[in-house]
Amino acid sequence: GEDVEQSLFLSVREGDSSVINCTYTDSSSTYLYWYKQEPGAGLQLLTYIFSNMDMKQDQRLTVLLNKKDKHLSLRIADTQTGDSAIYFCAEDRYSTLTFGKGTMLLVSP
Amino acid sequence: GAVVSQHPSRVICKSGTSVKIECRSLDFQATTMFWYRQFPKQSLMLMATSNEGSKATYEQGVEKDKFLINHASLTLSTLTVTSAHPEDSSFYICSARVGRVGNTIYFGEGSWLTVV
Repeated sequence: GEDVEQSLFLSVREGDSSVINCTYTDSSSTYLYWYKQEPGAGLQLLTYIFSNMDMKQDQRLTVLLNKKDKHLSLRIADTQTGDSAIYFCAEDRYSTLTFGKGTMLLVSP
Repeated sequence: GAVVSQHPSRVICKSGTSVKIECRSLDFQATTMFWYRQFPKQSLMLMATSNEGSKATYEQGVEKDKFLINHASLTLSTLTVTSAHPEDSSFYICSARVGRVGNTIYFGEGSWLTVV
């Protein structure tokens, strides 16, 4: 399909790991991004991965990329209440970003 | 990381007037800037891509005479909503690419526009 797909909602308990999944569309996309958006705010770049990588780790964040299946995931270890936000994956396609609809992550104490 | 600043963060204007939103890259030169619109609880919709010194490229369905984009320098792009109507009320976000294609894109904090 033409859309970047994400699950809409994820609920976890504080201290657990969160895994947010994304399916993108274009195998030639060079960069794949994860952004975080808190209510009423802009987008904060969390991390990105080159398309020739399988995994990237950055402190509590781990990005896994399966190019064959065009599947991207973001794992947040030791999830905190401050991680509650909407998370967008995006692919760098035709020199612009195409976004998924966002996954709302709710972290309960 | 690179910083992109938008101003104003919130603006209320009367129907029929025009309002300008600025997007600045504070610590890098942005050859390409992007303008998005986001409706409540929805994803970002790309409105247009602007390259410094040239005309913006608008996405299908976006009225270029209504949403005027100017990218006069490598650090500033502006979006002017002309003859604003209540249905133009939305969250507008700009972003800027560091360097050329393939480099990271950073976003501003967004601007809430309310047309009354």
